[in-house]
Amino acid sequence: EVQLVESGGGLVQPGGSLRLSCAASGFSVSLHYINWVRQAPGKGLEWVSVLYSGGNTYYTDSVKGRFILSRDNSENTVYLQMRSLRAEDTALYYCARELWLQTSSSPSGAYDLWGQGTMVTVSS
Amino acid sequence: EIVMTQSPATLSVSPGERATLSCRASQSVSNNLAWYQQKPGQPPRLLIYGASSRATGISARFSGSGSGTEFTLSISSLQSEDSAVYYCQHYNSWPLVYTFGQGTKLEIK
Repeated sequence: EVQLVESGGGLVQPGGSLRLSCAASGFSVSLHYINWVRQAPGKGLEWVSVLYSGGNTYYTDSVKGRFILSRDNSENTVYLQMRSLRAEDTALYYCARELWLQTSSSPSGAYDLWGQGTMVTVSS
Repeated sequence: EIVMTQSPATLSVSPGERATLSCRASQSVSNNLAWYQQKPGQPPRLLIYGASSRATGISARFSGSGSGTEFTLSISSLQSEDSAVYYCQHYNSWPLVYTFGQGTKLEIK
C-alpha cells in the first residue's frame, strides 16, 4: 500500500527539540519531493519545508535556521529535526508527497499523498 | 509575497445543487493552482492540480477553472459527503513558494 506515516510528535517546552519522522511505503522517498505542511488547531494549512529528490531543502522563513530536513533512503524515511521550538510551532504536522508531472517532467506543486499527521505541542 | 484569498468563508448549499468556490491571487500565478478537500480529523485530499486537472480517483462532479488571478472550484450535484473545508494552494518554483488560501467551509443544508 502506498502511504506516508508520521511519528515523533509530542509535548515539548519552549526552546526544546523534536524529531519528526515520515515513513513511506509503496514508493521511494528518494525519487520524490517530500513536503511538510502544518496546521495549527482550528486553523488553515501552512507549508513548512520541502526535500527535493536531489537533496536540496527549502524552508518557510519562520523556521529557517531552526528546522532541518534529512532523509534515510535505506529506511525510506524523511526526518524533520525541529529545534528552538516556539509556541507558534504548535500544530499538526503532515508530510506530503508532491505530484510529479510525467508529461513535463516537472513538479506540480500539488500534494497527492498525505500522512495522517503528528501533533506537536509547544508549551510550558 | 502572493496572497491567496478564498471566498466565501462559508457556503451553505442544498443537496443536488452546484457549489462555486472562488480563489483569488494577489498577482498572477499562471495555472499553478491546486484545490484540496479536508474533512474533520482527516488530512487534505487533492482534488484539482494545474488549475483544472482532476487528481486520480476524483469524481467528475469536481471541476476547476481559471488562470492568472481568478480561480474557481465547482462541485455539481452536491451530496452530504461533500461537506468539508476546501483550500486552494498556489505553487511557484522560483522563488519557491507554496501558499494556501484560508479555506472555504462548505455546508450541505
